[in-house]
Amino acid sequence: DTGVSQNPRHKITKRGQNVTFRCDPISEHNRLYWYRQTLGQGPEFLTYFQNEAQLEKSRLLSDRFSAERPKGSFSTLEIQRTEQGDSAMYLCASSSSGNPEAFFGQGTRLTVV
Amino acid sequence: GENVEQHPSTLSVQEGDSAVIKCTYSDSASNYFPWYKQELGKRPQLIIDIRSNVGEKKDQRIAVTLNKTAKHFSLHITETQPEDSAVYFCAASKQGSGGYNKLIFGAGTRLAVHP
Repeated sequence: DTGVSQNPRHKITKRGQNVTFRCDPISEHNRLYWYRQTLGQGPEFLTYFQNEAQLEKSRLLSDRFSAERPKGSFSTLEIQRTEQGDSAMYLCASSSSGNPEAFFGQGTRLTVV
Repeated sequence: GENVEQHPSTLSVQEGDSAVIKCTYSDSASNYFPWYKQELGKRPQLIIDIRSNVGEKKDQRIAVTLNKTAKHFSLHITETQPEDSAVYFCAASKQGSGGYNKLIFGAGTRLAVHP
């Protein structure tokens, strides 16, 4: 499968723990996006990278959230001190800067108990 | 701020009927409008998109129309089939200096096609 890959697919964690998710974009795509989706809602933008540079972060993104893309390839999203409200599907998407078509990964479903 | 409104939230049709989903965007600088289909437990999949220099685009049974003046765009599915049942999301984006920016999504429309 040469599409966008996310790991893990599911994560259950206790409140207060830290979690980290990984996204591997389509190899030739230089843009990588993180979105969060809760039940019955559309994906909500969190942050995006062009190569290794983080170009925008949502104002809704608390300081407990951090994302990196150190070599301009895969990206990680870390949530520190998780809260029950963080429970959601975390989606990654990638695209080329000259082409707006964005392709999504399968997502990581986070459940905070 | 940037916002996309989508209607209806649920849509139920008989197999063979047409379905129309409508979206309105707030940012007049938006110039790219994709539609995604998401089946239960699966990733959103791009099914069709339109750019602001085009008023209509068709791909077999699906078509998208864009009214830039009114800031409206719509998805039309003809001859619906049970496998069209899914949640459909509209989105809007605009082109910045380095490329297209983030997608702003609507809240989704749950389409049910009954045999």
